[in-house]
Order: sequence, then structure tokens, then C-alpha cells
Amino acid sequence: DVKVTQSSRYLVKRTGEKVFLECVQDMDHENMFWYRQDPGLGLRLIYFSYDVKMKEKGDIPEGYSVSREKKERFSLILESASTNQTSMYLCASRLRLAGDNEQFFGPGTRLTVL
Amino acid sequence: KQEVTQIPAALSVPEGENLVLNCSFTDSAIYNLQWFRQDPGKGLTSLLLIQSSQREQTSGRLNASLDKSSGRSTLYIAASQPGDSATYLCAVEGGGGNKLTFGTGTQLKVEL
Repeated sequence: DVKVTQSSRYLVKRTGEKVFLECVQDMDHENMFWYRQDPGLGLRLIYFSYDVKMKEKGDIPEGYSVSREKKERFSLILESASTNQTSMYLCASRLRLAGDNEQFFGPGTRLTVL
Repeated sequence: KQEVTQIPAALSVPEGENLVLNCSFTDSAIYNLQWFRQDPGKGLTSLLLIQSSQREQTSGRLNASLDKSSGRSTLYIAASQPGDSATYLCAVEGGGGNKLTFGTGTQLKVEL
């Protein structure tokens, strides 16, 4: 079974802090994703990566950056956290883009920015 | 731009009932459609993936169908149990960018 883990389940940070969210997958998947989930808005893609050191913007990349130095690890960075970034953050991985393979999700990180 | 709608937003049924969850999408040019389950405060668990060339997929008490031309999918749950209580999300992949577009989910409660 694919396992996707996220470094924290709950995180509380202050406005202006730099925040790192870490995600690790153990199935040698090429593709990794960061989403945020908000009530009434569903899941929205922030960034994804299709290979080491490669990244592409999703639908809402503003205020975020990412890093993928190793295949198994994908980090989401909030350079200067703001209250509107309070949300549930979900990481996912997938073997290939498109086709008959599923996307697997981590347990999520509930981030609160005060 | 692809839009995915799930109706109803919430559903409550007695244990043992068969039920259908609906998902509709605006752009029929999709690669596949995936159904997920999400328990409160948790991540998403993949239930079924239907490729665009398929009409349905089954896993245990779950059956998902896809009518690409009309932009609809249904998730059928047979003999519902309290453990089925969760939010069910559908997501479609297609168009440019190979990204998943998610619906906002149907919150299901199965009561004893």
C-alpha cells in the first residue's frame, strides 16, 4: 500500500512566520501535489511536482512556494504566513499523470495562523 | 474551465438502505473520474477510479458508473452501514494540465 505521511497533524503559527509543511511518500511516485481544503470551496491545487526539482503552479499558488530535492519528499513553504492561509493542507502522490492510476493522499495538516 | 458539482450536499439515511450519490461535470473531455471518501479531520481515501473508456467499476458494496457524454457519475452504496458515514468526493481529470478538479462533496450519515 502507498503511504503518504505529513510532518504534522496540527500546527499553530503567528502572522509573518515562515512555515514549512513536509510530505513524504514511500512508493517511488513521480508526481506529488499540495492542496488546501476549505469549507464550501473544496480542494484546490496549490502546486504540483512531476519530478525532482520540477514544479508547476496549480490554481492558487500565490503566497506559497515548494521544494522537491528528493523524489520522496515534497515541501510546501509559506514565506510569511497570513491569517487567510488558515486551512487544511493535503499532500498527495501519484505514479503517473493521467491514465488508470489513483492519487493517494496523506492525513492532512490543519494549520491555524493567528 | 471544468466545474464539478455534487448534489445533495448532505444526506441522512437509515442503516441498510441502498443509496446513490451524484456527481456532474461540465466538460466531458475527461481522462478519468475518481471517487474518494473523507472522514472528519482526515485525508482522502481513494474508493474507485473509472477511466473514460469504462462505464462502471465495482468494489465490494460500492459501484460507480460514468456517463461521459452527459457529464455524470453516480456512486451506489448497497446495504449502507454506520461505518459508511463520511464525506464522499468525486474528482475528474481531464483537459489541459492533467489536474484533478474536485467537487465539494456529499456528507453522508447512516443512522442506526
